[in-house]
Amino acid sequence: GAVVSQHPSRVICKSGTSVKIECRSLDFQATTMFWYRQFPKQSLMLMATSNEGSKATYEQGVEKDKFLINHASLTLSTLTVTSAHPEDSSFYICSARDRGQGADTQYFGPGTRLTVL
Amino acid sequence: LAKTTQPISMDSYEGQEVNITCSHNNIATNDYITWYQQFPSQGPRFIIQGYKTKVTNEVASLFIPADRKSSTLSLPRVSLSDTAVYYCLVGDGAYSGGGADGLTFGKGTHLIIQP
Repeated sequence: GAVVSQHPSRVICKSGTSVKIECRSLDFQATTMFWYRQFPKQSLMLMATSNEGSKATYEQGVEKDKFLINHASLTLSTLTVTSAHPEDSSFYICSARDRGQGADTQYFGPGTRLTVL
Repeated sequence: LAKTTQPISMDSYEGQEVNITCSHNNIATNDYITWYQQFPSQGPRFIIQGYKTKVTNEVASLFIPADRKSSTLSLPRVSLSDTAVYYCLVGDGAYSGGGADGLTFGKGTHLIIQP
């Protein structure tokens, strides 16, 4: 149980294009999902919190107009990197919060490697 | 969210038991302790979660002293495939209905297992 998928796993795009990444909770419903970014040899950094049916909450320094988040259902959140540039190249990871009995646990997707040429 | 401190790296050998300790002096009453494992170019994998005393599952044990200011992840009989980065995180595990916090990842512990 508690499986989170991401699609695509890898994407290469030209500078200026937009890229959409999907995050799905496969066997549980997640009212809250999170998007992280990880640069080489660094730890994960939280970008935004995605709430089903409402606007996402962005961390300080993350441009909401550049990283569009939509959480249209209890099992799907999407991150769209608009007008991508080489500095946006990174490993993007989503997580979904499973409201278990007593403790909430975040389960992570396998990640999406974005390379902007 | 409580800040955590872990060793940057550890080395061990196949078949040994490995204990990784994490300090979280500012842990709050509602906070749970969660450990994740991450391999290169993969998302973190949930290992174990606990609130107090001892928790054990099929892959690890988690020891939490009474003051909860630290915790120790114990990996029994490690193998080469356990080479990875291990993250200790502390956060509010009790759903409050008022939203949720993303996790603040520290640098983690890079565990290297040698033959």
